[in-house]
Amino acid sequence: AQTVTQSQPEMSVQEAETVTLSCTYDTSESDYYLFWYKQPPSRQMILVIRQEAYKQQNATENRFSVNFQKAAKSFSLKISDSQLGDAAMYFCAYGDTDKLIFGTGTRLQVFP
Amino acid sequence: DAGVTQSPTHLIKTRGQQVTLRCSPKSGHDTVSWYQQALGQGPQFIFQYYEEEERQRGNFPDRFSGHQFPNYSSELNVNALLLGDSALYLCASSGSSGGFFHSYEQYFGPGTRLTVT
Repeated sequence: AQTVTQSQPEMSVQEAETVTLSCTYDTSESDYYLFWYKQPPSRQMILVIRQEAYKQQNATENRFSVNFQKAAKSFSLKISDSQLGDAAMYFCAYGDTDKLIFGTGTRLQVFP
Repeated sequence: DAGVTQSPTHLIKTRGQQVTLRCSPKSGHDTVSWYQQALGQGPQFIFQYYEEEERQRGNFPDRFSGHQFPNYSSELNVNALLLGDSALYLCASSGSSGGFFHSYEQYFGPGTRLTVT
């Protein structure tokens, strides 16, 4: 069975600085997707970034980028130029064609 | 273009009661998945509906059942409620193309907060 592990329950960063959230996963599949979701206090799950496992190039979305290491089964999220609005729970997720498997989340605090 | 909607927003029930939660998918989506998110945890997959049938199920007891209607909207039913069923219930919708499902395009609704007392 696939599993997703987020070993950082909480992280903090100062506004305008850079922070990296860690995620590892386990699977025997070769074709899958990886995601980072943001969940603010409003509870809505918002897709931040996604990565197709067959693509070697790391995904980027504006200030958000990932470091995808397929052999190590590692998928970290880097947030550059952090903003107060980035404060939220961040969930790493593994996806196949049917469902998503989530980690336990990392709470990110952003200080002015 | 309306996104995924869920109702009600909040719900309080008593142990042993039954509850029905509702979800309308994003326009153009035909697949609905349900997740349970306990406090301080990540969402756990309950089941997925496509073409009005349960396509896949997570590790949840039979007390959890669902339905999908011809307009692709869906219901989640939980019978004989337990205190441990208190959670945020998330609905996610996605599209399919020729039977190939796109989990990478799952859009989530705002959730229903269920409290069992």
